[in-house]
Amino acid sequence: QITLKESGPTLVKPTQTLTLTCTFSGLSLSTTGEGVGWIRQPPGKALEWLALIYWDDDRRYSPSLRSRLTITKDTSKNQVVLTMTNMDPVDTATYYCAHRGYTSDWHYFFDYWGLGTRVTVSS
Amino acid sequence: DIQMTQSPSSLSASVGDRVTITCRASQSISTYLNWYQQKPGKAPNLLIYAASRLQSGVPSRFSGSGSGTDFTLTISSLQPEDFATYYCQQSFSSPPEYTFGQGTKLEIK
Repeated sequence: QITLKESGPTLVKPTQTLTLTCTFSGLSLSTTGEGVGWIRQPPGKALEWLALIYWDDDRRYSPSLRSRLTITKDTSKNQVVLTMTNMDPVDTATYYCAHRGYTSDWHYFFDYWGLGTRVTVSS
Repeated sequence: DIQMTQSPSSLSASVGDRVTITCRASQSISTYLNWYQQKPGKAPNLLIYAASRLQSGVPSRFSGSGSGTDFTLTISSLQPEDFATYYCQQSFSSPPEYTFGQGTKLEIK
């Protein structure tokens, strides 16, 4: 069974950098095919995919946020870290990490999710 | 970038109703389409992947169909626990970008 848990600050000030950690179990990011991603959801709004990191350290980002995001992994700690620079009040959201599942015919989806962590951006 | 548009944005229905939610992609995405259910204060839950494949543990009253640009999620007989918000998501292109639709809120009539 795969489990994921997000951790990080609940409050950041505008212009600061946000650092979130996803700690997971039941999977290894050194196993071929595996990936862990980040998705956020502003209050009352839709889900927005942010970034994903693969077992081979390939990293993919949302085009609209690419310049502000960095995703890294620590395989030995079973952790994925997301940093987002220059935080703004519009970045207030619940941030989720999720396991990217896949099929043998190359379909991809998020099949396990953390509970999410609420981040408020305010001075 | 591929855009995903769901309709309707909200929907009122009664227990026992058959409900259909539509998702349209801005370009063809073959069957690289997933559906999620989200209840208030909870993380999303995968229902359907690859447009029509039911995720393990999901009740068979949920079904998905479509390919190319037009997709549907159908709930054959609404149950009280199905009132939630539903999202489609595409995973097309290589490597994929995981764009979500804006969501459809299913409410009790």
